[in-house]
Order: sequence, then structure tokens, then C-alpha cells
Amino acid sequence: EIVLTQSPGTLSLSPGERATLSCRASQSVNSNYLAWYQQKPGQAPRLLIYGASSRATGIPDRFSGSGSGTDFTLTISRLEPEDFAVYYCQQSTVSSWTFGQGTKVEIK
Amino acid sequence: EVQLLESGGGLVQPGGSLRLSCAASGFTFSSNSMSWVRQAPGKGLEWVSIISGSGATISYADSLRGRFTISRDNSKNTLFLQMHSLRAEDTAVYYCAKKVAPGTPPCFDYWGQGMLVTVSS
Repeated sequence: EIVLTQSPGTLSLSPGERATLSCRASQSVNSNYLAWYQQKPGQAPRLLIYGASSRATGIPDRFSGSGSGTDFTLTISRLEPEDFAVYYCQQSTVSSWTFGQGTKVEIK
Repeated sequence: EVQLLESGGGLVQPGGSLRLSCAASGFTFSSNSMSWVRQAPGKGLEWVSIISGSGATISYADSLRGRFTISRDNSKNTLFLQMHSLRAEDTAVYYCAKKVAPGTPPCFDYWGQGMLVTVSS
């Protein structure tokens, strides 16, 4: 099973600042199979990025994904008030899916 | 509009069983793989199981195989999760999620609102 480790656990930033979230895999991941989700309290997760770098429908262009192999990054170029949430990376293989433990982006 | 509506959750005693349902609408149910993902209180997301559109291909998280069974009824556009021998650590919000259409990098593009399962005496 591929283990995804996200860092940092918590990111304290102010609106307007840039957020950089990391997701590291225990073994190489096909970039097509890496996604990012946003979750706000009491809500279901929302798909942000798929295929490591493609934005899902309706996702603002301040969200971007990059990376390959074992290192992937989610960047929020300028934080808006609604972006403060928990973010999860996720990978899949033919028979197994795993999520990272999440990064909380909180207001500083 | 895609909608996923879970039902069947609630309080169950340790060792008991429960069946969750997820009623789907707004898309061609039989063409899409469907999955269950759970989230223990205050914790992260944990993938549980996935089933192909036809129901022929099924995968489970290693830690859950043998106690949980995923199935679907394409005539009723409904996904199921049968859970047996439930433990306190199975307490979680259970989400059903739709996998994107074949040919698109795999991910879950729609999620239900979640259903709380509490295992306690």
C-alpha cells in the first residue's frame, strides 16, 4: 500500500498570502492518479485537482497542482477567506486508494 | 444535477451489523464506479471500498476486507455497504463517492453528505 504523508500538519497564514502544501508518497505514483480535495467543517470533501495538475470544474485558478514521482504540491496563490480548510491528497492504483492525513490551512 | 444520498446509519452495538445505502441520481449510475470513504471523528479520510459500474470488480482496504461488503443495484441506482462485526473504531461518517468517468484520471468528483455510524454499547 502506498502511504501519503502531507506536510505541514497545520499552515497558519493570512488572507492574501501564498499557501504551499506538500504530499509525499512512499513509492512512485503515476501522476495521473494523484488528486487533491478540500474539506470544510461539517461538509463533504470537494475535488480540487486531478491528474496532479488539472483543476476540477469550477475551481478557481488560484489553485494549482504540480509534482511527479513521489513529491506533489498544491499551491494556493492568494488565500481567500473561503480557502481556510483542510486539504487532502489522494492516490490510486488498480486495486487500492489512499489519502494523506491532511493539512489544515488556518487563519493566522 | 448529481445527487448522492446516504441512509441507514445510526447507533449499533459492538459486534453488530449495519447496511448503508446510497441513492444516486443525475448521472448514468451503471457507467460509473462507486466508492465508500469514511472519516472517524476529528480524523482524516479513509478509503473503504470501490465497485465497478457492472459490479464485477471490487476492491477493499486491507484492514476491512472480510467484515465489509460493497454491492450495488443498478436497476435502483443504489450503492450498498454491508458491515459486520462492527467495532468502536468503525465509528465514523461514511461517505459514498462517485468515481469520475472512465478515461479521466481517477478521482471522486461527487460525494454524498455523509452518514454517521456510531458503534457503542
